[in-house]
Amino acid sequence: NAGVTQTPKFQVLKTGQSMTLQCAQDMNHNSMYWYRQDPGMGLRLIYYSASEGTTDKGEVPNGYNVSRLNKREFSLRLESAAPSQTSVYFCASSRTGRDQPQHFGDGTRLSIL
Amino acid sequence: AQSVTQPDIHITVSEGASLELRCNYSYGATPYLFWYVQSPGQGLQLLLKYFSGDTLVQGIKGFEAEFKRSQSSFNLRKPSVHWSDAAEYFCAVARGSSNTGKLIFGQGTTLQVKP
Repeated sequence: NAGVTQTPKFQVLKTGQSMTLQCAQDMNHNSMYWYRQDPGMGLRLIYYSASEGTTDKGEVPNGYNVSRLNKREFSLRLESAAPSQTSVYFCASSRTGRDQPQHFGDGTRLSIL
Repeated sequence: AQSVTQPDIHITVSEGASLELRCNYSYGATPYLFWYVQSPGQGLQLLLKYFSGDTLVQGIKGFEAEFKRSQSSFNLRKPSVHWSDAAEYFCAVARGSSNTGKLIFGQGTTLQVKP
C-alpha cells in the first residue's frame, strides 16, 4: 500500500544550490501534480502532468522544472534554489478526470538558507 | 476567476461538540467540490466529494457536507468531534471546465479539539 512516495522527506539547501525532488506512484494513475504549501496560502499548483510525456505549468512555476520520467515517476527540480522556495512540497496523482480525487504523498520539507 | 475561500483560519471546539467548517467557492457552472484533511506531518486525505445529485454527501470518519448553490457554499459538518479530528482541513474546487483534474484549494482551516 505504498501509494505516492516522495523522497527526500527533509532537505536543507544553500541559496544557489540545485536539487531534485522525487515522486513515484504505484496506482497506475495517468495524472500527477506538484504543489507547494505555505502557511495561510493552502496548496498552490507548481506543475502538472496529464500523462507520460506531457507537462504543463500551474499557478507558480517560476524557478522550477519537472520531468515525467515514465508513468510512475514525476520529479521536480530547483535549478538555483532561493529562500522564497522554502516550503513543503507535495506530490499527488489521480486518474484522468475532474471528478477523480488526488492521492498525496507525505511531503518534502525544504529549507533554503 | 475561480476561487475558494475558507473564512475561518482557526477553529477550536470541545470534544463531543458539533462542528461546521465553512467553504465558499466562485465558479459559474456546477462545481466539482472536495474536502481534504491533513494531519500533522502528513499529506492530504480525501474526506468527501460532490459533483451532482443529492446535495448532502457523506464522507469518511463521520463527516458530511452540504452543497448550497444559492449560497455558493460547501460546508463540512460532523455531529460529534473526536480528539483525533484535530487537523487542517482544505476545501477545493476542480479548476475550469477541462478534464485535467487540477484543483484550486482554499487557505485551510486548522481545527483544535479541547478535551
